[in-house]
Amino acid sequence: QSALTQPASVSGSPGQSITISCTGTSSDVGGYDYVSWYQQHPGKAPKLMIFDVIDRPSGVSDRFSGSKSGNTASLTISGLQAEDEADYFCSSYTGSRTLVFGGGTKLTVL
Amino acid sequence: QLQLQESGPGLVKPSETLSLTCTVSGGSVSASSYYWGWFRQRPGKGLEWVGTIYYNGPTYYNPSLKSRVTISLDKLRNEFSLRLTSVTAADTAVYYCARPETPMLFDAFNIWGQGTIVTVSS
Repeated sequence: QSALTQPASVSGSPGQSITISCTGTSSDVGGYDYVSWYQQHPGKAPKLMIFDVIDRPSGVSDRFSGSKSGNTASLTISGLQAEDEADYFCSSYTGSRTLVFGGGTKLTVL
Repeated sequence: QLQLQESGPGLVKPSETLSLTCTVSGGSVSASSYYWGWFRQRPGKGLEWVGTIYYNGPTYYNPSLKSRVTISLDKLRNEFSLRLTSVTAADTAVYYCARPETPMLFDAFNIWGQGTIVTVSS
């Protein structure tokens, strides 16, 4: 069970859109529509932003959207804001009731 | 409103057992069809799923930790617990308990405790 692959860092200016990728295999990301994305600010607990690839929990801004193509899932943040600066982690169901996370991506708002 | 609170020793000696409890308030660990999970985050690293327990008892563990992990529910105390045996410095981490808001969801945890720091050191 290997970790999912995320870019270490991405950056964007306020108002722009950015996309964070999360690459796995056909045994996890590609095999199930159970990819979640979490936002984590320093010293805080993670916050669920996207689940089941595309769904947003209530209260999460519609500036956050998810998608998947093959073995790669993506999180897109549009209209970038200063408070979006955080670490982002993807996770995927891997079958047999197990989960795997990506290594995380640090988003910097320039 | 459901709230989770982790508790346990902040310091554990190498080779000993790490034991943490997640106290649930505003809801019941017996509530039908909910999964309850443990996660950890090593210093400067990403999130790692440790394991999950279903409301009626079945458990699911990270394969890399499976031989050392036990998660259990205590319905009377309304809490669930994590035991990790034979710890090493690599088990030093912030440990979180969490639960999905929606029943029957295994993978989407949106209610989290604040986390508790556990250091493994002699």
